[in-house]
Amino acid sequence: ETGVTQSPTHLIKTRGQQVTLRCSSQSGHNTVSWYQQALGQGPQFIFQYYREEENGRGNFPPRFSGLQFPNYSSELNVNALELDDSALYLCASSLGGTSAKNIQYFGAGTRLSVL
Amino acid sequence: AQRVTQPEKLLSVFKGAPVELKCNYSYSGSPELFWYVQYSRQRLQLLLRHISRESIKGFTADLNKGETSFHLKKPFAQEEDSAMYYCALSVYNQGGKLIFGQGTELSVKP
Repeated sequence: ETGVTQSPTHLIKTRGQQVTLRCSSQSGHNTVSWYQQALGQGPQFIFQYYREEENGRGNFPPRFSGLQFPNYSSELNVNALELDDSALYLCASSLGGTSAKNIQYFGAGTRLSVL
Repeated sequence: AQRVTQPEKLLSVFKGAPVELKCNYSYSGSPELFWYVQYSRQRLQLLLRHISRESIKGFTADLNKGETSFHLKKPFAQEEDSAMYYCALSVYNQGGKLIFGQGTELSVKP
């Protein structure tokens, strides 16, 4: 059984650029959630994808967008990067979509630095 | 508003001492609560959830709906328990999104 993998591990961008982060879900999982973790804070929910559809969104602007593919892997895209977007971006996968009881399994994260 | 509060950023204890990491939540519905842990250089992982009512690595957590708390406890701390601990609330009807507290760093000294 393979765990959640994220790529790249580190990324440096400049303000105004666009970035794409990638996530492969754990084998058999059909739901992917994305979180942003600023330094010294807990993760904050960005959005969730279930069977290729967005299934809930946190308080993030539209320049944060995502996709889920038929193999349940996912991308997070951020346009017009701002300095405050510098953070650790976590992907988590789970099985079952909408249930609050689902256990989410986290990847190691992508560290994004915006200069 | 849905919120999770962990009042302590850092908790430092000696090996063998009891540990209690506090977590309070604000949620109008029936809560699903989790404790996640992140050891040094490792990814965030589930420690325990309240519906399981189990003890993991000697840790337990009881949901107190009257006090809206879900404190994590261990009677005798070990050095290997040193880590970041996050309390999280899973929200019904919103895809089970997790709302995290800001985390408590537990340091167990020899």
